[in-house]
Amino acid sequence: GDSVTQKQGQVTLSEDDFLFINCTYSTTTYPTLLWYVQYLGQGPQLLLKVTTANNKGISRGFEATYDKGTTSFHLQKASVQESDSAVYFCALVERGGRALIFGTGTTVSVSP
Amino acid sequence: DTTVKQNPRYKLARVGKPVNLICSQTMNHDTMYWYQKKPNQAPKLLLFYYDKILNREADTFEKFQSSRPNNSFCSLYIGSAGLEYSAMYLCASSRGGLNQDTQYFGPGTRLLVL
Repeated sequence: GDSVTQKQGQVTLSEDDFLFINCTYSTTTYPTLLWYVQYLGQGPQLLLKVTTANNKGISRGFEATYDKGTTSFHLQKASVQESDSAVYFCALVERGGRALIFGTGTTVSVSP
Repeated sequence: DTTVKQNPRYKLARVGKPVNLICSQTMNHDTMYWYQKKPNQAPKLLLFYYDKILNREADTFEKFQSSRPNNSFCSLYIGSAGLEYSAMYLCASSRGGLNQDTQYFGPGTRLLVL
């Protein structure tokens, strides 16, 4: 079945550092790949979406891309701020579009 | 208003006792979901309602029940809580159809079973 692997459990950065988070996926269909962000005390919210049609998504300074050859997708931001501290989940729209399959999440901590 | 509300935010339950968690949304979304999130694990889909039709995941079929009395409300019911049910329960909603990428999540209910 469809699956997502997110190996980075924790990332600690200082303000203005570069953020890069990577996930790998497995699916037999053309994937819709997502990044959700969860701030403290809130539920996850959609940050970015990448499909085979657009190859890249950009929102709030974050950029998401995917590599079909390595079946991986990435989230990056050139210069993080303390307010970017959150848990970032990669996700895949399940074959058939019925639901989402999430990764385990990456906790990003940014110190001023 | 894109808010999904969950009640209660924290729940303490005894082993063997029932638990009922509530979720509501006012976006007129036709699909509502329940996920279970444990530390260091991915959110796991338990079940979802598409309109009035309940779909439960095969591996949690017998552990969780749900009801959706109207479009806005959805409950998650545990008949007899066990220690393994301790987790964060996230409710989400979406407009339905095949494009399920944008789900709106509530803040979650943290359940502790003792």
